[in-house]
Amino acid sequence: GPKVLQIPSHQIIDMGQMVTLNCDPVSNHLYFYWYKQILGQQMEFLVNFYNGKVMEKSKLFKDQFSVERPDGSYFTLKIQPTALEDSAVYFCASSQMGQGADTQYFGPGTRLLVL
Amino acid sequence: GDQVEQSPSALSLHEGTGSALRCNFTTTMRAVQWFRKNSRGSLINLFYLASGTKENGRLKSAFDSKERYSTLHIRDAQLEDSGTYFCAATTSSGQKLVFGQGTILKVYL
Repeated sequence: GPKVLQIPSHQIIDMGQMVTLNCDPVSNHLYFYWYKQILGQQMEFLVNFYNGKVMEKSKLFKDQFSVERPDGSYFTLKIQPTALEDSAVYFCASSQMGQGADTQYFGPGTRLLVL
Repeated sequence: GDQVEQSPSALSLHEGTGSALRCNFTTTMRAVQWFRKNSRGSLINLFYLASGTKENGRLKSAFDSKERYSTLHIRDAQLEDSGTYFCAATTSSGQKLVFGQGTILKVYL
C-alpha cells in the first residue's frame, strides 16, 4: 500500500536545541498531519496542514512548534526550543482528500528523546 | 470533547476462534479507521469506513455514525493476528483523527 517515510527514525537532543522531523508523504497526497504519542499514552493529534496553511491545531501544538512543506519536498515539524516534555514518538500522516473523506496513511514514527 | 472509548483493552483468543473489538464515540464522527500496530511500531491500515460495513479476509468492520460506534470482528484467529489494534475516528471538523486506547490481542495455540 501507500507508504509514508519519516527521517530520522530516532533523535536524541539536549533540551533547548532545535530539532526538525522530516516526513516524506505519499506522492499524490495533499493533506498532511502530525500526531504525538508519549510512551504509554494514546496517540494525539497535533496539526493538519493543507495548501501551505495550518488548517487545525491542538493545544499540544505549542508556540515552539512549526510546520512547513517548502516546494513540495519534505513535510517538516520543527521544535525550537525543545523541552523535556517533547520527548515522544511523532507520527506523520497524509491523505489524498481532507474532511475525513479519505484514509490517512501513517509513517513509522520518529522517536525523539530530549535530555 | 471528542473522545473514543475502545474495548476491551486486552483480549486472548484460542487459535481458530473469533471475537469483536468495539469503539464508542462521545460525539458524531465522520469516519473511522482501524489499524494494527506491527512489531516495528508502524500503523498498518486495516479499514476506512464512512458508513456501513467492510470485510477483508477474516476481518470485518462496521461503523454506525448515528449510534456512535464501530466494531472490528476477527474470525478464525491465527497466531499472526497477535498485536495491538487501534480504532481512530475523524471528528466533525474533518481535520483530525481521535484514537482509541488500543486492544492488545494475543492469539495462542
